[in-house]
Amino acid sequence: DIQMTQSPSSLSASVGDRVTITCRASQGISDYLAWYQHRPGKVPNLLIYAASTVHFGVPSRFSGSGSGTDFTLTISSLQPEDAATYYCQKYNSAPWTFGQGTKVEV
Amino acid sequence: EYLVQSGAEVRKPGSSVKVSCKASGGIFAVNWMRQAPGQGLEWMGGIITVLKVQNYAQEFQGRLTITADESTNTVYMELSSLRSGDTGLYYCATLRDSRPMWGQGTLVTVSS
Repeated sequence: DIQMTQSPSSLSASVGDRVTITCRASQGISDYLAWYQHRPGKVPNLLIYAASTVHFGVPSRFSGSGSGTDFTLTISSLQPEDAATYYCQKYNSAPWTFGQGTKVEV
Repeated sequence: EYLVQSGAEVRKPGSSVKVSCKASGGIFAVNWMRQAPGQGLEWMGGIITVLKVQNYAQEFQGRLTITADESTNTVYMELSSLRSGDTGLYYCATLRDSRPMWGQGTLVTVSS
């Protein structure tokens, strides 16, 4: 199975900072990569799909890039409401493996 | 909503639970994920409905059964031999318009 390695596991940044989270697949997955924002007890909020397509309604400060094995989620100007855990997930085929998650503190 | 899951369940250790996920349209493949308290998101398994092919995570082999009723666009996730560590939120998800789409989640509580 393809493994997804996400880093860092946690970070603390200030309002207005640029934040970058990376996700690496152990084998190529083309652009079948999604990024989610997750808060406990809530449905994961889809931010990015197809590696770089911003989901409808997601603030423009969120962006995604990458293809193949290396992917990045960028928050261009961190806001207080961005405090959450962020996950990458591959969905090209089963298993739909997640990265380990990145807890973002603001 | 495109995927609607069944309601919360409470079960005793050693019993089984069956959660449904009904789509408002046709479904090709559905996956199940869960989050236990204090843990990350994990993929449990999935089914390709038209092929009747299931895939299960190693951790759930032998305890997890995913089935589909194409006549009602409903997929079921049954987890047996429940233990306290199975308490958590269970989600179904599929691809629609080339993006992942999730159900609202079902809380399963395992407690004696």
